[in-house]
Amino acid sequence: GAVVSQHPSRVICKSGTSVKIECRSLDFQATTMFWYRQFPKKSLMLMATSNEGSKATYEQGVEKDKFLINHASLTLSTLTVTSAHPEDSSFYICSASRVPTGELFFGEGSRLTVL
Amino acid sequence: LAKTTQPISMDSYEGQEVNITCSHNNIATNDYITWYQQFPSQGPRFIIQGYKTKVTNEVASLFIPADRKSSTLSLPRVSLSDTAVYYCLVGSLGTSYDKVIFGPGTSLSVIP
Repeated sequence: GAVVSQHPSRVICKSGTSVKIECRSLDFQATTMFWYRQFPKKSLMLMATSNEGSKATYEQGVEKDKFLINHASLTLSTLTVTSAHPEDSSFYICSASRVPTGELFFGEGSRLTVL
Repeated sequence: LAKTTQPISMDSYEGQEVNITCSHNNIATNDYITWYQQFPSQGPRFIIQGYKTKVTNEVASLFIPADRKSSTLSLPRVSLSDTAVYYCLVGSLGTSYDKVIFGPGTSLSVIP
């Protein structure tokens, strides 16, 4: 079946540094990818919708300058948490919509801990 | 996407059948209904998808009444490993989704 890979699965960084999380669709093309944030025992919260070759669409309340999203190819989207602070610690999940069926596949998530 | 409503939590004993119902009163003509399972610290995993009537695969069945305003995920003979959060999503298939919004999901606890 289709696979979406996220890397790294876990990352620990110091406050003030930037962290990049990659989301790859391994065996299909994805014109649209979604980035989510999930707090403990809560549902997934949509952060932004990423379309290949264009700027991401951010949900209300999500800081564009803090969470930089790039979708440069049909198989890769990246989320960069800039100048990370402890409150950015969370579980980040991406999903990819397969062309042309639109089926959604999710990555395994990336656990970010900011010290 | 159509807003969905599910029970927040459910408990079940091992070996029982579990039915989780999702309400989606504003479902559109082109919308499909998809259920996902999520374990702690993992991404959601696809369970089943349907448009109308009944769909069955190796792990679950999905029942959708004629008005499509609700759907029921049926898990036969649950085991401890089925303890997870189950999400119902409603949206149209196509070349891309406009948005994919998750509701709170249903936390299923399977008891020995």
